[in-house]
Amino acid sequence: EAGVAQSPRYKIIEKRQSVAFWCNPISGHATLYWYQQILGQGPKLLIQFQNNGVVDDSQLPKDRFSAERLKGVDSTLKIQPAKLEDSAVYLCASSQGSRTGRMNTEAFFGQGTRLTVV
Amino acid sequence: AQSVSQHNHHVILSEAASLELGCNYSYGGTVNLFWYVQYPGQHLQLLLKYFSGDPLVKGIKGFEAEFIKSKFSFNLRKPSVQWSDTAEYFCAVNAGGFKTIFGAGTRLFVKA
Repeated sequence: EAGVAQSPRYKIIEKRQSVAFWCNPISGHATLYWYQQILGQGPKLLIQFQNNGVVDDSQLPKDRFSAERLKGVDSTLKIQPAKLEDSAVYLCASSQGSRTGRMNTEAFFGQGTRLTVV
Repeated sequence: AQSVSQHNHHVILSEAASLELGCNYSYGGTVNLFWYVQYPGQHLQLLLKYFSGDPLVKGIKGFEAEFIKSKFSFNLRKPSVQWSDTAEYFCAVNAGGFKTIFGAGTRLFVKA
């Protein structure tokens, strides 16, 4: 089975520029997650979708970050404008999900997008 | 607030040594627990998970973990490590909500 696809793999931008990341989850997976992983830290959940609805975005800096999953399949995460502290690996993951939305099934991760803001 | 602590940031072992990586979480209710591994240049993969039942969980590649509710712990073990186990290991906890919290990770280096 095909895994979670993310693009681009690497991105370098200047601060105050905008950037977008794309994720295509495993076919049939209802739940999609975006995590931010800063060097030396564990992944931090930014936003979680169940189909095309947002389940949790409590840690998403909404003044600059946005995400959408319009058709309940692939998703984009945008940063505008970027700050130096946004330099990180952005991970997308998907899981089959459940009626309650709990992550009680295995989450499959993509390779991530490494963002460097200079 | 829910949190996950991994005690060691870096561990260096020789091949055939035994491994135990500590993980403690802060949440008093029902939890789902996970260990993920990230090999160099690869994406995060699930090693094992605990939802309920037997607190001793066996995963892939000879890894196991024990859930001790009274200690809020979910330590990862392997009796004899191999060079190929060199990777970063993450403990993760889902505590009744929708959000899964990851620990900071432990980098394991196994000397051949």
